[in-house]
Amino acid sequence: EADIYQTPRYLVIGTGKKITLECSQTMGHDKMYWYQQDPGMELHLIHYSYGVNSTEKGDLSSESTVSRIRTEHFPLTLESARPSHTSQYLCASSESHRMSVGEKLFFGSGTQLSVL
Amino acid sequence: GQSLEQPSEVTAVEGAIVQINCTYQTSGFYGLSWYQQHDGGAPTFLSYNALDGLEETGRFSSFLSRSDSYGYLLLQELQMKDSASYFCAVGWMDSNYQLIWGAGTKLIIKP
Repeated sequence: EADIYQTPRYLVIGTGKKITLECSQTMGHDKMYWYQQDPGMELHLIHYSYGVNSTEKGDLSSESTVSRIRTEHFPLTLESARPSHTSQYLCASSESHRMSVGEKLFFGSGTQLSVL
Repeated sequence: GQSLEQPSEVTAVEGAIVQINCTYQTSGFYGLSWYQQHDGGAPTFLSYNALDGLEETGRFSSFLSRSDSYGYLLLQELQMKDSASYFCAVGWMDSNYQLIWGAGTKLIIKP
């Protein structure tokens, strides 16, 4: 059973606020990800990490930052929230990727962010 | 860039069989995955194909044809709880092994 947790579940904030979305996993996975998903749409990769002190940018990374100080923790920070950031943010982790077995991602329940 | 195509919506009857197709651009392809997502929920992993052929897991099966750049998810003995969105996702070597996701297929099941 997957154990990956995101807080808060819902967040409503005003424009210009700095926010941090929390994500923690207890599976000891090295790889972690942040995705953004609008209703009925595909997932877009924001940031990912191969392990402690490793962070990489995805397609939508320009307005956010991440850190990976501990294996289990991968927070996402928006320095200045805008209405265009309104979306669902999904955190995920995976054990490994090998071509033979692929990469099985475990997702958290998501944070639904609304920026007014 | 790379892209995937899957139907936006499929409708089927409870107890029937439904197939959800996924086509992708080639170039450094290394595997096709399927995920299920219920409304308001998080995606959950269903299956993975690296080689041509059929992979079966209970009522769900997934197929891949690398030569046709095509795969599908087959759901048998449909149940109302199978109503969800189904996403195909592909890993490409030139995307640093990160997954590229399709837009999802909403499966509507009627009694």
